[in-house]
Parts: sequence; structure tokens; C-alpha cells
Amino acid sequence: DARVTQTPRHKVTEMGQEVTMRCQPILGHNTVFWYRQTMMQGLELLAYFRNRAPLDDSGMPKDRFSAEMPDATLATLKIQPSEPRDSAVYFCASGSLDETQYFGPGTRLLVL
Amino acid sequence: QQQVKQSPQSLIVQKGGISIINCAYENTAFDYFPWYQQFPGKGPALLIAIRPDVSEKKEGRFTISFNKSAKQFSLHIMDSQPGDSATYFCAASGNQFYFGTGTSLTVIP
Repeated sequence: DARVTQTPRHKVTEMGQEVTMRCQPILGHNTVFWYRQTMMQGLELLAYFRNRAPLDDSGMPKDRFSAEMPDATLATLKIQPSEPRDSAVYFCASGSLDETQYFGPGTRLLVL
Repeated sequence: QQQVKQSPQSLIVQKGGISIINCAYENTAFDYFPWYQQFPGKGPALLIAIRPDVSEKKEGRFTISFNKSAKQFSLHIMDSQPGDSATYFCAASGNQFYFGTGTSLTVIP
């Protein structure tokens, strides 16, 4: 049963700390997406990679957020330093822009 | 600027009724229009999708109607069931991917 996995599932941290979220896409999927979901903004596309290369990160605050895909089985989203306004659920998805995207269960982040 | 506008924000339907959610877009370059379903605590999951070369697509109780000239598309859920209670997101894709703001559907038994 292929699925996208994300770790950690929950993270509580203090303002100013570094947060790293990890995602394992479905094997064989060459496009990986990072989304952020909040009540106020809904689902926002932060960045996506194709064949491990960043294609678009225009939705991501550049000063504190960074996304990488060190290998085909791992994508990371890092926030440094974290702020309370970063509190949200972060989803990773793999698939395609114009076909099905398979979402992971999300990382629920709370920055105090 | 919101690329995909979705309405209503919330919807309550009796079991067996028809649920209708509407979306509108501006960018004529969009060429893929999916609908995602999200249950509490879960990630969104693809429900049904359509491309602009057809005006309607049906899968079971779920139908997408697409009006290219009006730049609108809608999701119809026939014979709505309590298990359909979830949040529904429309989306549009071209070189970028945009979700609508979501519709919280409650189906009353």
C-alpha cells in the first residue's frame, strides 16, 4: 500500500527554534509538493520539486523557510527561526501538477 | 489575488439530497481541475478531476460540471450520505497549482 509518509506528525516548539519536517514520497513519483494549511489562508502551495530539482518556491517565505530534496526518497522543509505565525499543518504530496497528488498525513506544527 | 474562488463556505444537506459546490477561476491557462476531499486530521485525497475538453465527468455519485466559457466548474454529490461529511476543495492547475478555500459539507441523517 504505497503512501506518502511524513515525520514528525506533531511538533511543539518555541519561537526562534529550528524546525525540520521530513517527507518520504511514493516510490516512483518524480514530483513532490509542500503545502501549508491554516484556517485563515486555507491550503497554500509552498514549493515543489521535480526529479529532485526545485521548480517553484514562490509560495515560500524565503528568509526563514527552505526546502530540499537530498535524494529521491526524502524531501525536507526547514523553518529557521520559527515564529508563532508559522503554526499550521504542513502537508507533503507526491504525484503530478496535472494528475493526482497523493497527500501525506501532515505535520501539525505549533510554535509558542 | 485568489486564483480559484469557491462557494459556499459551508453546506448542510439532508441524507439523500444533492450537494452542490461551485468554483470559478480567472486564468484561462489552467488545464486541470480536480476536486479533493479532506476528513478531519487527514490529508486531502483526490475525489474526481476534469480537463477543459469535456463539459461533464461522472464517477459514481460524484459529478463535475465544467463551463469553459464562464470559467466555472462545480461538484455535484448525488444521494448525499453522512459519510460524505468532509471538507471539499476545488483546485486549478497549469504551471502552478491553486486550491479553493474549501467547503465544509455536513450531511444530516
